[in-house]
Amino acid sequence: GQNIDQPTEMTATEGAIVQINCTYQTSGFNGLFWYQQHAGEAPTFLSYNVLDGLEEKGRFSSFLSRSKGYSYLLLKELQMKDSASYLCAVDQAGTALIFGKGTTLSVSS
Amino acid sequence: DGGITQSPKYLFRKEGQNVTLSCEQNLNHDAMYWYRQDPGQGLRLIYYSQIVNDFQKGDIAEGYSVSREKKESFPLTVTSAQKNPTAFYLCASSDVKGPNEKLFFGSGTQLSVL
Repeated sequence: GQNIDQPTEMTATEGAIVQINCTYQTSGFNGLFWYQQHAGEAPTFLSYNVLDGLEEKGRFSSFLSRSKGYSYLLLKELQMKDSASYLCAVDQAGTALIFGKGTTLSVSS
Repeated sequence: DGGITQSPKYLFRKEGQNVTLSCEQNLNHDAMYWYRQDPGQGLRLIYYSQIVNDFQKGDIAEGYSVSREKKESFPLTVTSAQKNPTAFYLCASSDVKGPNEKLFFGSGTQLSVL
């Protein structure tokens, strides 16, 4: 079967670092996306990993291990505006993205 | 500006009524998708289309129908057979010929039952 797991909720304080994990078991795998979604809004693209390793993009980084079926999103220097849901999604060739249930991150001052 | 337009933003359905959610894109993308999102849940795939006049069922297609007569448009009809239609509906598109099939999302339609 297809399964993508993320923690449901996480909390952190401004200026801190937080790591959001995602594990997956899918029948096909081309790559892995991370999206950010603020309440009532559309998801916006954060990152896409195809190869193993860490991709850094400003305050956000994403890691992938294909052999372990594991990814994480690392958010540094947290800001209040980073309070949102973070969605992990697997790219399977020839079909649509499969999304996890999302992790709701609350950043407090 | 290029993008995806969903309308209306809020929609109310009466019992036994069919309603249609609009999705239009001017990104020249071949593929379009409909996802449903319930509170605290991720996105679940309803239908997708990778080319005009062709579409495939997703994980939760029952009670929904779609058409893809034009590349720019992918309307979703929520039929009376869908017994629990209250949800946030997101339309998306992607360039299947690109290096990664990043989804571009519309702003969503919140559907509620009266």
